[in-house]
Amino acid sequence: QVQLQESGPGLVKPSQTLSLTCNVSGGSIYNGDYYWSWIRQPPGKGLEWIGNIYYSGSSYYNPSLKSRVTISMVPSKSHFSLKLISVTAADTAVYYCARLGFAYGAIRHWGQGTPVTVSS
Amino acid sequence: SDELIQPSSVSVSPGQTATITCSGVKLGNTFSSWYQQRPGQSPLLIIYQDTKRPSGIPERFSGSISGNTATLTISGTQTLDEADYYCQAWDSRTVVFGGGTKLTVL
Repeated sequence: QVQLQESGPGLVKPSQTLSLTCNVSGGSIYNGDYYWSWIRQPPGKGLEWIGNIYYSGSSYYNPSLKSRVTISMVPSKSHFSLKLISVTAADTAVYYCARLGFAYGAIRHWGQGTPVTVSS
Repeated sequence: SDELIQPSSVSVSPGQTATITCSGVKLGNTFSSWYQQRPGQSPLLIIYQDTKRPSGIPERFSGSISGNTATLTISGTQTLDEADYYCQAWDSRTVVFGGGTKLTVL
């Protein structure tokens, strides 16, 4: 059973860079049947897709965040990462990493989520 | 537009049928999924490929699709079904979520 676990700072200052890592266990991150995703949820609001990365390194991003986001995989390690630059208070959210099935786009496996607050 | 539109809230009495719709142009040529999210928890996949239920999801949850509208139906709604529900679409590259529907069972 695949498990995902987010890690990273819970507090980031405005204008700085938010960096999170998702550790994947119980399955290979290089499985071509899946995309690896980041999704966030601001307090009291809905889910917002940030982006996906495929094992080949191909990545796709939410157009509203594309200019500030990079998702990458770490070769030889079972994790992938998120970098979001120039953060503001609007980036305060619970950040989830997840595994998305390529065939139907369904997300069966989610991390528990990590809260990130942007504040000075 | 890539938007998926859901009602912000739906109320239902215990034992009755709850219906949550999700409308968007993207649904006309992609698969839809549905997620249940209880407070403080990660979302749970309850419907995928428009109509299929993952193992472990009760039969009272069902999905359907007609044109650009996906529908989640909960038959015999129970109080434990009170939660937020999100639809989601996928076009082999990008993902979009609906705004979410708060289901109240009272």
